[in-house]
Amino acid sequence: SAVISQKPSRDICQRGTSLTIQCQVDSQVTMMFWYRQQPGQSLTLIATANQGSEATYESGFVIDKFPISRPNLTFSTLTVSNMSPEDSSIYLCSVFTPGQGTDTQYFGPGTRLTVL
Amino acid sequence: RKEVEQDPGPFNVPEGATVAFNCTYSNSASQSFFWYRQDCRKEPKLLMSVYSSGNEDGRFTAQLNRASQYISLLIRDSKLSDSATYLCVVTRGGGNKLTFGTGTQLKVEL
Repeated sequence: SAVISQKPSRDICQRGTSLTIQCQVDSQVTMMFWYRQQPGQSLTLIATANQGSEATYESGFVIDKFPISRPNLTFSTLTVSNMSPEDSSIYLCSVFTPGQGTDTQYFGPGTRLTVL
Repeated sequence: RKEVEQDPGPFNVPEGATVAFNCTYSNSASQSFFWYRQDCRKEPKLLMSVYSSGNEDGRFTAQLNRASQYISLLIRDSKLSDSATYLCVVTRGGGNKLTFGTGTQLKVEL
């Protein structure tokens, strides 16, 4: 299984500022994803982080608001730009690892963001 | 209609009880199905994949009915440590993007 770490684990930010979240994996992985989990809700996919090219965003999410970098196969960042209280959420990165007879996604521990 | 629908619960059951969760999905092209477990303030963790033939892992049994687009999870002999939110998860078509249900909360009590 993949071991995933995220930084920061939590933050409290002011409206209008930006926060960059880092995701580090202990092995090279082909596919990395960023999810959001708003309070009391389930996970929603924000985008697929593509190594060496622009991220692929899901409906309702745009690059200007959530720029993503993926400089190599073990690292990615997600920036939450020009934050508002509605961005208060847990942000999780995940990686996909083809396995023995079953494909599995593993999740990082998440970054808990509160926007005041 | 939500892509993946679950009864949010909570299901409050005594220790040792058997409890079943159900889930329906709307995308008939979904290829892979999973149950994830999420503890409070933690990330989701894979509990088990769900296969058409049904599969069992200890006290946990998962079933898939493709015709009815229905997935189930059965937990036997519930333990206090089973208390968590159980997320029904399906892939979008044949890809690796996951769609999550809102989860069913289970509370196992003494």
